[in-house]
Amino acid sequence: SQTIHQWPATLVQPVGSPLSLECTVEGTSNPNLYWYRQAAGRGLQLLFYSVGIGQISSEVPQNLSASRPQDRQFILSSKKLLLSDSGFYLCAWRAYNEQFFGPGTRLTVL
Amino acid sequence: DQQVKQNSPSLSVQEGRISILNCDYTNSMFDYFLWYKKYPAEGPTFLISISSIKDKNEDGRFTVFLNKSAKHLSLHIVPSQPGDSAVYFCAASEENRDDKIIFGKGTRLHILP
Repeated sequence: SQTIHQWPATLVQPVGSPLSLECTVEGTSNPNLYWYRQAAGRGLQLLFYSVGIGQISSEVPQNLSASRPQDRQFILSSKKLLLSDSGFYLCAWRAYNEQFFGPGTRLTVL
Repeated sequence: DQQVKQNSPSLSVQEGRISILNCDYTNSMFDYFLWYKKYPAEGPTFLISISSIKDKNEDGRFTVFLNKSAKHLSLHIVPSQPGDSAVYFCAASEENRDDKIIFGKGTRLHILP
């Protein structure tokens, strides 16, 4: 069966610090991978998606970036965090018409 | 431009009664629709889906209805139980496309004792 891992589970970072959130998927190959953010009153906002290694599509212009160095690894990064980057970050992978989510990372920027 | 809209941010329903969550979409190319349930500090979990070739799909206490002409779908939960209290997300996609699924902003359902 397929499993999706995210770490860390929670993170508290000062404004202006860098960010690296990691997501890995087990049990599938060449998955479509996604990063979402759930912020207060904003629902699930799609940030990035990737259909293959090195292929990243950005949905929302901002100070975040994503990379896919390996088939089952998806990384969300920032060089300098803003207060508005606080939220619950979810990684997901897609199988046919369904999407499966990881446990999420709660990021608080102070 | 919001392609998937959940216009009710929250809904309160008495335990044992029917919960009806609504969703509207604007993109006529969408042909596959999903509902997800999310508890705090957890990832969303898939509940039920429906393809545009159907107008109803049922799974236990959960039924999704699709009205293509109105570009509207709804999720019915009956009977509602305390564990149903969560945020429910409606989502839509173009079937067999391998890029993105579009989510609504969610509706928080409170089941009252």
